[in-house]
Amino acid sequence: SQKIEQNSEALNIQEGKTATLTCNYTNYSPAYLQWYRQDPGRGPVFLLLIRENEKEKRKERLKVTFDTTLKQSLFHITASQPADSATYLCAPDTGRRALTFGSGTRLQVQP
Amino acid sequence: DGGITQSPKYLFRKEGQNVTLSCEQNLNHDAMYWYRQDPGQGLRLIYYSQIVNDFQKGDIAEGYSVSREKKESFPLTVTSAQKNPTAFYLCASRTSGTGAYEQYFGPGTRLTVT
Repeated sequence: SQKIEQNSEALNIQEGKTATLTCNYTNYSPAYLQWYRQDPGRGPVFLLLIRENEKEKRKERLKVTFDTTLKQSLFHITASQPADSATYLCAPDTGRRALTFGSGTRLQVQP
Repeated sequence: DGGITQSPKYLFRKEGQNVTLSCEQNLNHDAMYWYRQDPGQGLRLIYYSQIVNDFQKGDIAEGYSVSREKKESFPLTVTSAQKNPTAFYLCASRTSGTGAYEQYFGPGTRLTVT
């Protein structure tokens, strides 16, 4: 069956450091992969989308990589700030159906 | 302002009662979705609709029902058959068709059944 794995343990880092979050998937052949941010008690908010033929995508302090051979996406936040503290969800996207999300990784940036 | 509204934000019901959660969007999106989120867990797909008057079951449809009579609206009914209805419910929408499109989420409804 299809499976999406994100590190369930919270990631704690110091302000100014780079946070790296991992998303692994199995039994999927996504053409795209999406990343969302969710704050407590709120709906997720879209951050970035990367296509299978793109190795890397950047947006301001965010960078996403997509390795279809490893079936893995990495999400990086550089120069992290306490305001980046949230849960980050990945969603492999076949482009044909509703998105299925990983359970998310909680990031805590310490001042 | 374009977006998705869900009402109410908090809902309390007694066991054995059906309850309907509202979801309205003014983004002109064809596709709409309902997800359920339990504490510390990810989003699980309940139902989705790609077009008016059509909808499909998601991964956990048992005990739920939906309708899609208008493009803007996709209400979810939690029936008494749903064994563990207490959860955070999220509605989403996006442009349909081939290709990748982001999903827009509403603010969610927290349902508590006692």
